[in-house]
Amino acid sequence: KNQVEQSPQSLIILEGKNCTLQCNYTVSPFSNLRWYKQDTGRGPVSLTIMTFSENTKSNGRYTATLDADTKQSSLHITASQLSDSASYICVVSFNTGGFKTIFGAGTRLFVKA
Amino acid sequence: DAGITQSPRHKVTETGTPVTLRCHQTENHRYMYWYRQDPGHGLRLIHYSYGVKDTDKGEVSDGYSVSRSKTEDFLLTLESATSSQTSVYFCAIKDRATGELFFGEGSRLTVL
Repeated sequence: KNQVEQSPQSLIILEGKNCTLQCNYTVSPFSNLRWYKQDTGRGPVSLTIMTFSENTKSNGRYTATLDADTKQSSLHITASQLSDSASYICVVSFNTGGFKTIFGAGTRLFVKA
Repeated sequence: DAGITQSPRHKVTETGTPVTLRCHQTENHRYMYWYRQDPGHGLRLIHYSYGVKDTDKGEVSDGYSVSRSKTEDFLLTLESATSSQTSVYFCAIKDRATGELFFGEGSRLTVL
């Protein structure tokens, strides 16, 4: 069964600290993996995309990694800011005669002053 | 900003009443999607459209219908709302060049 699981469900960190969010997937055949950020009351916004051949991608203080062999991805946030408080959603696309997309349930990050 | 507008943004209705949510886009995208988002679940696809009058079901389509009579508008209809349809509904368009999904701001629906 194609699934995307994220951990932890929620996380509280102090402003300025780093954190890492995890995504494990059982999707096949893999096409690409994206991380989205969703602020409270808003729609998700894409942070990064990685294909099978890419193992790291950065977007400012956000760095995503991908291990296609173990089917794991992580999102590392450096020097967190209050504005990083949001849900982070891992999204995996695969191609089975047509592209399909599975969304993880997200990790809710709270950054405290 | 992908030029996506959802309406209404908030709605409270009673069980058994019909509800229509509207998604409007200004950039002539071919692919449009309706998702629902519930606590503990990832976004789940309800219906999608790949052109005017071309639509198909997603994974949670029961109880929903859609229409697309113009490129810019994609309507989601609940013929007879039920409490299990209380959710936040997101419309999205797909950038064909990158495959990236761009989402609207969401429509929060409460069915009492």
